[in-house]
Amino acid sequence: AQSVTQLGSHVSVSEGALVLLRCNYSSSVPPYLFWYVQYPNQGLQLLLKYTTGATLVKGINGFEAEFKKSETSFHLTKPSAHMSDAAEYFCAPPLNTGNQFYFGTGTSLTVIP
Amino acid sequence: GAVVSQHPSRVICKSGTSVKIECRSLDFQATTMFWYRQFPKKSLMLMATSNEGSKATYEQGVEKDKFLINHASLTLSTLTVTSAHPEDSSFYICSARDARLADEQFFGPGTRLTVL
Repeated sequence: AQSVTQLGSHVSVSEGALVLLRCNYSSSVPPYLFWYVQYPNQGLQLLLKYTTGATLVKGINGFEAEFKKSETSFHLTKPSAHMSDAAEYFCAPPLNTGNQFYFGTGTSLTVIP
Repeated sequence: GAVVSQHPSRVICKSGTSVKIECRSLDFQATTMFWYRQFPKKSLMLMATSNEGSKATYEQGVEKDKFLINHASLTLSTLTVTSAHPEDSSFYICSARDARLADEQFFGPGTRLTVL
């Protein structure tokens, strides 16, 4: 069963515009969440993760995400999109004791020049 | 940081042959490794979980005899696609779990398998 849901399989933004990629998690998911980026024909690279502490997490390449328990959300944002941000983005829960790991369905980000 | 490699990065084979894909954790011991399959424009599908020294646990719908997984050491897991067919063509990604960072997995760069 999916424990995270990504709304919007495709998002297009203009270069320089705000990037917002949505992720909601089920209440059964422990409060550890990850965002990964996948460039074409490559593996997954960790963008950022929330484990404990500050709910606003900053990652690589200018991305950040805020863990909101009240909304069960962990949306990924970037103030200004760059052409190099075009990729597939996956939200993911942590590994649980059953060693099952279910990614979100992914959001393909297109950056329009 | 934790680095995971996969070999080969790309392989083309004839239908009916078997292909072995290696996944290695280069700078850490991976108690658990995962194998994923990714279809075009789709998310990653977890195929199986392998723990060092024990049999792999396969997800529902994944054929155990078709996709043989061996995790013989703490740094190496292999996936063998037996009697490959064109429908097995896909992007296969492995990941490894570092025992020291229990909640995170580190991904290999993937292997593109094309079966002719």
